[in-house]
Amino acid sequence: DAGVTQSPTHLIKTRGQQVTLRCSPISGHKSVSWYQQVLGQGPQFIFQYYEKEERGRGNFPDRFSARQFPNYSSELNVNALLLGDSALYLCASSFSRGSYNEQFFGPGTRLTVL
Amino acid sequence: DQQVKQNSPSLSVQEGRISILNCDYTNSMFDYFLWYKKYPAEGPTFLISISSIKDKNEDGRFTVFLNKSAKHLSLHIVPSQPGDSAVYFCAASPSSWANFGNEKLTFGTGTRLTIIP
Repeated sequence: DAGVTQSPTHLIKTRGQQVTLRCSPISGHKSVSWYQQVLGQGPQFIFQYYEKEERGRGNFPDRFSARQFPNYSSELNVNALLLGDSALYLCASSFSRGSYNEQFFGPGTRLTVL
Repeated sequence: DQQVKQNSPSLSVQEGRISILNCDYTNSMFDYFLWYKKYPAEGPTFLISISSIKDKNEDGRFTVFLNKSAKHLSLHIVPSQPGDSAVYFCAASPSSWANFGNEKLTFGTGTRLTIIP
């Protein structure tokens, strides 16, 4: 079975530009979450979507936005890029195991802002 | 404000011995704790978890211990194998996670484990 897929793998942008990152969840998973991992830090929660609705939002500026499509895939958009947005962006999809929802992570998109 | 802390950035352990990775948290609302393993160029992979109603959970070579009063958890790997070399992240979540209402995971900064053959 295919895992969580993300595209592109790597991306280089310049300050002020806009970027769109894409995520396809595991088949059957309806929830998608986005995380930012800066070098040397742990992943930091950005958004969670379930059934196309935003269910959670982390402490990120309004330059960050996301959406989920009817097929449960998702896009993360970042406007007016700053140097500090350089990071690994991880997408995770999840399903319920009853008492908790296990999250499966994709390989990430490495964004470099110059 | 680092709510989940892994104070050891790195750890080296001889193959066959026990690896112990530690994690501390500050937020009393955290009710579910997880360990993830990450290889370079891959996303984090779920290893093992524990609910706050338990103090121990075991899965093969991996055991997680939770001390709620100390707000501390640890991951034990016995015996350690070369394939265990990776970065290990501790993560925590509030109990409302179960109904897709809040799946926010708060991660620590990670511990790089190196198993020496």
